[in-house]
Amino acid sequence: EPEVTQTPSHQVTQMGQEVILRCVPISNHLYFYWYRQILGQKVEFLVSFYNNEISEKSEIFDDQFSVERPDGSNFTLKIRSTKLEDSAMYFCAWGRGGSGNTIYFGEGSWLTVV
Amino acid sequence: DQQVKQNSPSLSVQEGRISILNCDYTNSMFDYFLWYKKYPAEGPTFLISISSIKDKNEDGRFTVFLNKSAKHLSLHIVPSQPGDSAVYFCAAKGGGSEKLVFGKGTKLTVNP
Repeated sequence: EPEVTQTPSHQVTQMGQEVILRCVPISNHLYFYWYRQILGQKVEFLVSFYNNEISEKSEIFDDQFSVERPDGSNFTLKIRSTKLEDSAMYFCAWGRGGSGNTIYFGEGSWLTVV
Repeated sequence: DQQVKQNSPSLSVQEGRISILNCDYTNSMFDYFLWYKKYPAEGPTFLISISSIKDKNEDGRFTVFLNKSAKHLSLHIVPSQPGDSAVYFCAAKGGGSEKLVFGKGTKLTVNP
């Protein structure tokens, strides 16, 4: 039974358009994350989010990306102006944080930029 | 910068035999290691983990071994079942970072 619901499961968007990917947790977790996997490549960390602010981000997470949890429920990843290379599977993840704590992943949202 | 390496892109074993998946890492700050199983178009599913203070952790058919001096860990699956066929990712974190660093994965095929 999934602990988060990710929407949409698949989205096709025109290059330059804004995209919002959503993650709805079922139970309360402390840390939320976004990861992505470009087809055929490894899973990559984008950002971690704790106590309503970004706690860590990767070099991939540039100014075109943003995250927020506006209502304490939905956790969103916004890509302002999509590029072809943003095509990937985006995973919401969660955990309790800290050393020795496991990170669990959602089912993913497949984004195709054309 | 491959801090986590899975040098075997694929592995094929017979049902009932042992599957051994290997992973090497370079960052000595890593102190927690995880194995995930992944099917196409799905999210990684957590399998088993190990802290750097241990050298072995077992959960049913899955056992993870950690050799800190060699910066090497391995996942043993015994007995292997056809349903174990998937891509297996090794991941690591540590040094106060919440970031999981993944290997490229090993595709396991268990033949009936």
